[in-house]
Amino acid sequence: GAVVSQHPSRVICKSGTSVKIECRSLDFQATTMFWYRQFPKQSLMLMATSNEGSKATYEQGVEKDKFLINHASLTLSTLTVTSAHPEDSSFYICSASGVENTGELFFGEGSRLTVL
Amino acid sequence: RKEVEQDPGPFNVPEGATVAFNCTYSNSASQSFFWYRQDCRKEPKLLMSVYSSGNEDGRFTAQLNRASQYISLLIRDSKLSDSATYLCAANNAGNMLTFGGGTRLMVKP
Repeated sequence: GAVVSQHPSRVICKSGTSVKIECRSLDFQATTMFWYRQFPKQSLMLMATSNEGSKATYEQGVEKDKFLINHASLTLSTLTVTSAHPEDSSFYICSASGVENTGELFFGEGSRLTVL
Repeated sequence: RKEVEQDPGPFNVPEGATVAFNCTYSNSASQSFFWYRQDCRKEPKLLMSVYSSGNEDGRFTAQLNRASQYISLLIRDSKLSDSATYLCAANNAGNMLTFGGGTRLMVKP
């Protein structure tokens, strides 16, 4: 299957700082990537859909100015959590669909953010 | 009502048991369905796709019932290594997956 790599896998930061998470498709071109967030013992919640070369589409309740998404190339999407606060602590996971467009998504390894 | 719903469990079963999970979806326009397995603090990994005709992969069988809008996953001869959270997912337009809350399975010796 297609490989999606996410970095960093774990980050701890102070409140008020910004954190950037990268998501790369390693062996295929991903015109669309998805960013999910998962709080402990809860399901994955879609935050936004990232389209290469255009603005991301955010789900209801997700602040676009707080969660900046950039998808500048067909293999890289970034999520920046700006002015992070403890309530932003979560598991952030990116995903991308394969070239066969079967509906299957391939996930990155996830990034665990802890804001102190 | 959530778009995709699952019983959160946990399902505690002995090794060798057969266990089944159901998942209901509310969007009748959903086009494809999947079961993912998620281990603690890890990303979800695709277990299997779900087809109307049903599909089987070793000890795992998935079924889709479009009329009743549910999908199921059957695990036979449970192994300790099957302990995980199982997420069902429905794919709508644009490859966007909506996940259920997950069902936690614990297989005991």
